[in-house]
This record gives sequence, C-alpha cells and structure tokens, in this order.
Amino acid sequence: QKEVEQDPGPLSVPEGAIVSLNCTYSNSAFQYFMWYRQYSRKGPELLMYTYSSGNKEDGRFTAQVDKSSKYISLFIRDSQPSDSATYLCAMTEGAGAQKLVFGQGTRLTINP
Amino acid sequence: NAGVTQTPKFRVLKTGQSMTLLCAQDMNHEYMYWYRQDPGMGLRLIHYSVGEGTTAKGEVPDGYNVSRLKKQNFLLGLESAAPSQTSVYFCASSYRGFYEQYFGPGTRLTVT
Repeated sequence: QKEVEQDPGPLSVPEGAIVSLNCTYSNSAFQYFMWYRQYSRKGPELLMYTYSSGNKEDGRFTAQVDKSSKYISLFIRDSQPSDSATYLCAMTEGAGAQKLVFGQGTRLTINP
Repeated sequence: NAGVTQTPKFRVLKTGQSMTLLCAQDMNHEYMYWYRQDPGMGLRLIHYSVGEGTTAKGEVPDGYNVSRLKKQNFLLGLESAAPSQTSVYFCASSYRGFYEQYFGPGTRLTVT
C-alpha cells in the first residue's frame, strides 16, 4: 500500500465549476501538507502549505486537512482554463523528517 | 529574486558520457534536493543536502553523485550516463526541513 494515494484522473470540468482534488494517506505521523501545481513541461509550483489540521484559504484555493480521516483536499472555486494542470499533494512528518512523500498527481482540465 | 534556477534546460548524452547539472537558489535556503520525474513513477528523490558541505542519499541515488560546496549551489553529476537515466530532473530547495520545498524549472535529459 502506498503511503499517499491520489486519483490520477484525468478530471475534466467546465469553466466556473468548483473542483475538489483529494489525497488519502496511511501515515498518521504526517503533519505538514502541501499542494503543488505543475503545468506541462514545467516544475512543480507550491500552491498551499498547511501544518496539522484545519483549513487554509488563498484566493480561489482552499486547502483542507482532516487528520482523523487521513484525508486532505484542495478546492478550486470559479475554476479557470489557466487552472488546467497536474496537481500533486505532498506531505511529511515533523520538522526533522527527511522525506517528502508525493501523490501521483491528478491531471485537471478546465474546459472554456 | 530568481528563486531556483537550473542549468542546462535540455541535454542529450550518449551512453557512457558524463555531465553535471547545476542548481542555484537565491533564497538563502539551507536544504537542497535533486529529484527525477518519470511517467508513472512520480517524483523520486535522488540526493539531498541539509547545509553547505553536506550531502545524503535519497530514494534512487545509484549512478549519481552530488556536491554542495556553496550554500546557494547544488550540483548533480552523472559519471557514466545510461539510457535508464533519461528523465526530467528537478532541483528544489527549502529553508529548513523537508516541508515547503520550492522547485526549479527542470532539466530534460535524454541518454541514447
């Protein structure tokens, strides 16, 4: 069983829709949770970073962590064609941890 | 700030040739990393450094060497390239700890 599971998609939605991207994990010691956006042929770009449980909002993006269910989500409101990319979740244990575990990435397409 | 930069952007090598990939960051980050990204395999950590003069092995270190002589630079070397090393290589850095990593634009390497 992989430490982090992420539905690879592809996921295709119309412009303006609310998008929900999700990851589940098995390691209860994970405390730092990140979402990256990767455009085709580009490097991953850090979108959101959350420590422990709760929500974090940045513009149209909201990251949610539910440690009791070992489940994290990224919501995109009012989705735009420019949001079309692969989204990767990533997580790590405490500050001294020496491993960042990535999900496989979900390919998202926003259709105009 | 340029963030994380990588040189070169593209390279084609013949089997057995050697090369060095250069990563530079201007964010005064302590930690630096080299990853490779392959279809279906996700991001895999090759080597990392937790400070100037230090290096450590990641998940897939065989066939690669690294050096961190200056805090802002992290070099990845291939002594004798093999076709299995055809990949996209990403450098990343973080202030302190494996969370909140910032990635460079990548180097596409083809070994024939």
